Order: sequence, then C-alpha cells, then structure tokens
Amino acid sequence: EDQVTQSPEALRLQEGESSSLNCSYTVSGLRGLFWYRQDPGKGPEFLFTLYSAGEEKEKERLKATLTKKESFLHITAPKPEDSATYLCAVRNTGNQFYFGTGTSLTVIP
Amino acid sequence: DARVTQTPRDKVTEMGQEVTMRCQPILGHNTVFWYRQTMMQGLELLAYFRNRAPLDDSGMPKDRFSAEMPDATLATLKIQPSEPRDSAVYFCASGLVPFPGELFFGEGSRLTVL
Repeated sequence: EDQVTQSPEALRLQEGESSSLNCSYTVSGLRGLFWYRQDPGKGPEFLFTLYSAGEEKEKERLKATLTKKESFLHITAPKPEDSATYLCAVRNTGNQFYFGTGTSLTVIP
Repeated sequence: DARVTQTPRDKVTEMGQEVTMRCQPILGHNTVFWYRQTMMQGLELLAYFRNRAPLDDSGMPKDRFSAEMPDATLATLKIQPSEPRDSAVYFCASGLVPFPGELFFGEGSRLTVL
C-alpha cells in the first residue's frame, strides 16, 4: 500500500536556526515526490517536484532532496514568515497522489 | 493569475441535509482531484477525474457521496444525506498529468454538519 510518513509532527525553531523535515515513503512506482506549504485556512501551495533519487531543488531558504526511500526539506536560516505546515506527497504509476499528515513549523522571532 | 475556485467557502448544515460543493479547475488542466482534510487523517483522496472521466472514487463512502464533472469547467462533490462525521475541509485540486504533474489546490470548502 502506498504510504507517506512525515516527521516530526511539529517543529519549533528560533529565527535563523536551520533544520530539516523528513518525508519517508513507500510507493508502487514513484512518478514524482511533491512538497507543499499550507497556511492556516488556505489550500496547499506547491513548492517542489522531485522525480529521481539524487535530485535537488531550491527556492529561497528551502532545499528539497530525494533518495529512494525518503525526501528532506532543508530550511536554512528560517524567518517567522516560513511558519506553516509543510506537506509531502507522492504520485504512483496510477497517477494517484498520496499525502503525508504534514510537519507544522513555527519559527520564533 | 490562474487558480482553482471552490464554492462555498464555508457551509453549516443540519444532519440529513444535502450538501453540494463546486470546483472550477484551472483552464487547460486535464485532471481534477477531490480531497478531504481533517486533523486526524490529513488529506484523504476521495475521487479523481481525467479528461472529465471518473478514474477512481474508492476513497468515497459510496452510499452518500457522489462526484461528477458535467463539463471541463465544473466538478461537483455531493453528500446526501450529510452526517456529523462528514465535517471537514474539502479541497479540489487540478493538474496536468502525467507531466508536469503537480497539483494546484483551491482554498477549500469548510463543512460543518450539526
């Protein structure tokens, strides 16, 4: 069964304190791993797509990496505006998307 | 600025009433998904359509939920009769699948069934 597990569930960081979020997955044929950001009361906002192990993508203070079993979202020198829930999803060969339950990130000024 | 539009944004209803949620996907996208989000379960896949054809609705309680796509600009999710356990935020997402594949979400419809 296709499954996505994210850790930790919640993370509190001081402004400027770098850290990483983890997304472990099992999927019947990976056709993409996706990272989203979700703010309270809003829909998930697309951040990155990774297709193969070894691939990396960067956007401002965020960098996503991918291995055959997991993905990491690295946050460098975070700011309070980076506070949000970060969701990971995988797409399988049937083009179904499965989401993890997310990591709630709080960055304290 | 293309976006997925969902209505209503908020709905409060009594148990047993019919609820219809609507979604206008991004023009040109060939795939539409319906998800339900709760604190306990996160985002659960309910149904999805490719080129307006239903491909998978195994995540939906069949006896009360139905999803349709009457045309390329409208997807609907109907609950009849509604129950308190249906209270959640329902999201519609559209994308161009298989490539590039990322989904774009609407703002969601928050449903409360009393």
